[in-house]
Amino acid sequence: KQEVTQIPAALSVPEGENLVLNCSFTDSAIYNLQWFRQDPGKGLTSLLLIQSSQREQTSGRLNASLDKSSGRSTLYIAASQPGDSATYLCAVETGRRALTFGSGTRLQVQP
Amino acid sequence: DTAVSQTPKYLVTQMGNDKSIKCEQNLGHDTMYWYKQDSKKFLKIMFSYNNKELIINETVPNRFSPKSPDKAHLNLHINSLELGDSAVYFCASSQVRRGHDYGYTFGSGTRLTVV
Repeated sequence: KQEVTQIPAALSVPEGENLVLNCSFTDSAIYNLQWFRQDPGKGLTSLLLIQSSQREQTSGRLNASLDKSSGRSTLYIAASQPGDSATYLCAVETGRRALTFGSGTRLQVQP
Repeated sequence: DTAVSQTPKYLVTQMGNDKSIKCEQNLGHDTMYWYKQDSKKFLKIMFSYNNKELIINETVPNRFSPKSPDKAHLNLHINSLELGDSAVYFCASSQVRRGHDYGYTFGSGTRLTVV
């Protein structure tokens, strides 16, 4: 059974810092890994999708890496801004068409 | 706007009632899902449908019955609501076409409160 763990559970940083969010999964036989952002009381916004054959994806200040063999992914956020404050969720898709989510990292960027 | 839209956004109802949540996607995706986010914010798959066919039923009580009238719609009907059903329910869709995975798109959620 796939299990996804995210560390840290919460993170508070001053504006401008670069930061790394970690995600690990127990079953390396994944189709893809997706990072989402969830604002309080809102839905999920897809940030980056990494296919199993890829090592990383970049979008603006965000960079996500995938090491399938070790069951790890990192989300790197450069030059953090207060608007980046949200919960970041990592999810993997395995053989069946469904996502298994981690419990998220709550990020607070202080102005 | 291309999106996954679900209604209502908020639903407050008494125990024992029957309620429905509707979901529609205009992305042309072939697979639709219902996810439940509990009070600890943990998201878990409930159902998935591919081209109107049930693919996943993740040990959800049979009081929950998904219905897919067509590829673009997946509704969730809940009978005899219980306090423990209070949660945020998210609809989502996804598509794999010609080997390209377009990822998942989520609706904005329906916050169900059973009193």
